[in-house]
Amino acid sequence: NAGVIQTPRHKVTGKGQEATLWCEPISGHSAVFWYRQTIVQGLEFLTYFRNQAPIDDSGMPKERFSAQMPNQSHSTLKIQSTQPQDSAVYLCASSLDGSQNTLYFGAGTRLSVL
Amino acid sequence: GDKVKQSPSALSLQEGTNSALRCNFSIAATTVQWFLQNPRGSLINLFYLVPGTKENGRLKSTFNSKESYSTLHIRDAQLEDSGTYFCAAEAASGSWQLIFGSGTQLTVMP
Repeated sequence: NAGVIQTPRHKVTGKGQEATLWCEPISGHSAVFWYRQTIVQGLEFLTYFRNQAPIDDSGMPKERFSAQMPNQSHSTLKIQSTQPQDSAVYLCASSLDGSQNTLYFGAGTRLSVL
Repeated sequence: GDKVKQSPSALSLQEGTNSALRCNFSIAATTVQWFLQNPRGSLINLFYLVPGTKENGRLKSTFNSKESYSTLHIRDAQLEDSGTYFCAAEAASGSWQLIFGSGTQLTVMP
């Protein structure tokens, strides 16, 4: 079991460019979560998929951010027209079955927008 | 205000000593998870708790839902225990959002 795999580990983009972050959940886990971590805001929930279906995206900024889960083995978080304030560590996590289950995090993708 | 408040924000320990970290909740937490974020940035799950106590090696954690707090006790601290400890609460049964505290930065010194 390789755990939750996130790629790339680091990404540097210029302001206005697009960034796509990838997550491979633990095999057999039906729930996938995206969180964002910054020094100022700490760990913030972004969005949640269960059995590939989007369940809750209430934490996602309304503009420029989108997440998808085209199959059970990966999810993507896309940020269009990146801004410096998007700089953060983006963390993906999976759990066996959504709520009330142990959450396993990936190592994160550090996004730096110059 | 903070829905999940962690204390202390930072802590230094001598190797071999004991300590306790605490989270207070202003929400009706149903479950609590504790994580350690190591210097590489990985969040490692330490405990998943319903009300009650769990123990794993030198770590012991309690979740008291009636009094809205959780504690993490570290016994015989080792250098590798250094990192940032986060607690996270699930706010309601069937919810999927974990609400994280701001973390306790622990440094264990030789």
